[in-house]
Amino acid sequence: GEDVEQSLFLSVREGDSSVINCTYTDSSSTYLYWYKQEPGAGLQLLTYIFSNMDMKQDQRLTVLLNKKDKHLSLRIADTQTGDSAIYFCAETFRGSTLGRLYFGRGTQLTVWP
Amino acid sequence: KAGVTQTPRYLIKTRGQQVTLSCSPISGHRSVSWYQQTPGQGLQFLFEYFSETQRNKGNFPGRFSGRQFSNSRSEMNVSTLELGDSALYLCASSLAGQGNSPLHFGNGTRLTVT
Repeated sequence: GEDVEQSLFLSVREGDSSVINCTYTDSSSTYLYWYKQEPGAGLQLLTYIFSNMDMKQDQRLTVLLNKKDKHLSLRIADTQTGDSAIYFCAETFRGSTLGRLYFGRGTQLTVWP
Repeated sequence: KAGVTQTPRYLIKTRGQQVTLSCSPISGHRSVSWYQQTPGQGLQFLFEYFSETQRNKGNFPGRFSGRQFSNSRSEMNVSTLELGDSALYLCASSLAGQGNSPLHFGNGTRLTVT
């Protein structure tokens, strides 16, 4: 449950869709989360998915989970300049407590006008 | 409903000193977790408290300690500060005990050790 990988950078044009990817190694993952961090701020919970789900949609956000490949993605539709931030993928897993999250290193999303 | 409140927002200390950081969880939340964020190591788990009991602990030296009070507020303490302790310290709270209750984070305390 300690290896969560993300690409470090992503640049998109305003109005396009963004897809941020994450891979994890622990097959006993229970919940997977996406958090957003803006400069000088803490982490804002965007959405989360239980490991027995394949997809979750919440307004402009779509989370896809491929359990076979241990791959999680976050799609942001109609990306805006206000979406520029660092996005963290995180997991909890069976055998640990829900307050202990394992985070990726974060993906810096830059949105160009 | 107010979010997670951390005080102070910024702190400058000297090597060898000790520091106490405070966290007030969202009203009704009973679980509090602490994380350290640095550019080199990313986000690392420190500890988790529920009902005044520590129920999980990360891989940090004994200089890092914490506690939770009966009103769910929490403090963490770092003794004998080192330069490497400079970081953003994040507190998060959750309802706990009700299925999955995701963590909600505060804005953190930025600690600088000189």
